[in-house]
Amino acid sequence: KAGVTQTPRYLIKTRGQQVTLSCSPISGHRSVSWYQQTPGQGLQFLFEYFSETQRNKGNFPGRFSGRQFSNSRSEMNVSTLELGDSALYLCASSYGMGDNSPLHFGNGTRLTVT
Amino acid sequence: DQQVKQNSPSLSVQEGRISILNCDYTNSMFDYFLWYKKYPAEGPTFLISISSIKDKNEDGRFTVFLNKSAKHLSLHIVPSQPGDSAVYFCAASGETSGSRLTFGEGTQLTVNP
Repeated sequence: KAGVTQTPRYLIKTRGQQVTLSCSPISGHRSVSWYQQTPGQGLQFLFEYFSETQRNKGNFPGRFSGRQFSNSRSEMNVSTLELGDSALYLCASSYGMGDNSPLHFGNGTRLTVT
Repeated sequence: DQQVKQNSPSLSVQEGRISILNCDYTNSMFDYFLWYKKYPAEGPTFLISISSIKDKNEDGRFTVFLNKSAKHLSLHIVPSQPGDSAVYFCAASGETSGSRLTFGEGTQLTVNP
């Protein structure tokens, strides 16, 4: 079974630009979550989607948004990029939501903002 | 407010010995705990989990212990192997948090041959 796939793997953007990251969950998984990993803050929860609806949101500004499609694939968007948005963005999928099925992570998208 | 803390940024052990990684939490609403392993340039990989109704869960060389009264959990790896060298993250979730996990800062484990 294929794992969680994230594209692109690496991205370099300039301050003020916007970016869209993509995530394909494991087949059959319906919940998709996004996390930001930075050296200073560790892994921080961004949001969770289930059945195309955002179910949970972390403490991030409105510049960070996402969506989920009917095939469970998800995208996240960051607008008006800031230098501090440079991070590894991780997508994770699980079969259900809140059912204690472990999250399975992709290898992430490394975003660098210059 | 760091609700999940891993106080040791790094740990070094000899191959064949036991590795013990520790994690403390403050939120008493957490009822499910997980350990993940992360290699550079890869996403975290699920290792083992434990529900708050248990105090121990074992899977091969990996055992997780939960002490609810102390709000403390630990991961034991026996015997440690060089391939176990990675960053280990402790994570927790609660009944009302969906699939949202709160992670610790991670502990870099180095197993020396």
